[in-house]
Amino acid sequence: AQSVTQPDIHITVSEGASLELRCNYSYGATPYLFWYVQSPGQGLQLLLKYFSGDTLVQGIKGFEAEFKRSQSSFNLRKPSVHWSDAAEYFCAVGADYGGSQGNLIFGKGTKLSVKP
Amino acid sequence: GAVVSQHPSRVICKSGTSVKIECRSLDFQATTMFWYRQFPKQSLMLMATSNEGSKATYEQGVEKDKFLINHASLTLSTLTVTSAHPEDSSFYICSARVQRDTQYFGPGTRLTVL
Repeated sequence: AQSVTQPDIHITVSEGASLELRCNYSYGATPYLFWYVQSPGQGLQLLLKYFSGDTLVQGIKGFEAEFKRSQSSFNLRKPSVHWSDAAEYFCAVGADYGGSQGNLIFGKGTKLSVKP
Repeated sequence: GAVVSQHPSRVICKSGTSVKIECRSLDFQATTMFWYRQFPKQSLMLMATSNEGSKATYEQGVEKDKFLINHASLTLSTLTVTSAHPEDSSFYICSARVQRDTQYFGPGTRLTVL
């Protein structure tokens, strides 16, 4: 069965510091991978996605993620964090393609706090 | 980007009443929409998949008679929580699939059942 693991429940970084949020997935075939961000009381905003091709994908707000098949990982990175990046981040894998619904399976999320 | 709206954003109701939540794709058509439920500090759990013009597909453990889903048009799906109880209080989020399984999410609806 497909699954997504985000090992870090809560991360705190200083403003201006670099950031890496970890995501590991379990999926039998080539996965479709996503990172979403959720601000308190809000829905999810798509940051970036990987379907195929270049394993380093660029997203909005200066985020990037790298797909590493050998490690079953899709870690999210940002070189310099801004206070406005404080939010909950969810990694997700697209499940059951080939005529099925294509629903997403989410990790449990990583809460990012940013220190001034 | 694609915009998905939800209405209402917050609703408080008495136990035993029914509540309808609307999910609209504003600038695109969506044959497939999804309904998720999110408990405090938890991830999103898929409740059901809503397909335009056909019956919704419910995930295991989700009562289809309690959570009625209607996808009457390519831009609107509704979730009705029937005979709501306090344990139904949650954050409900819908999404619409655009292409290649990219989903755009609504802002969510906070349901509180007294």
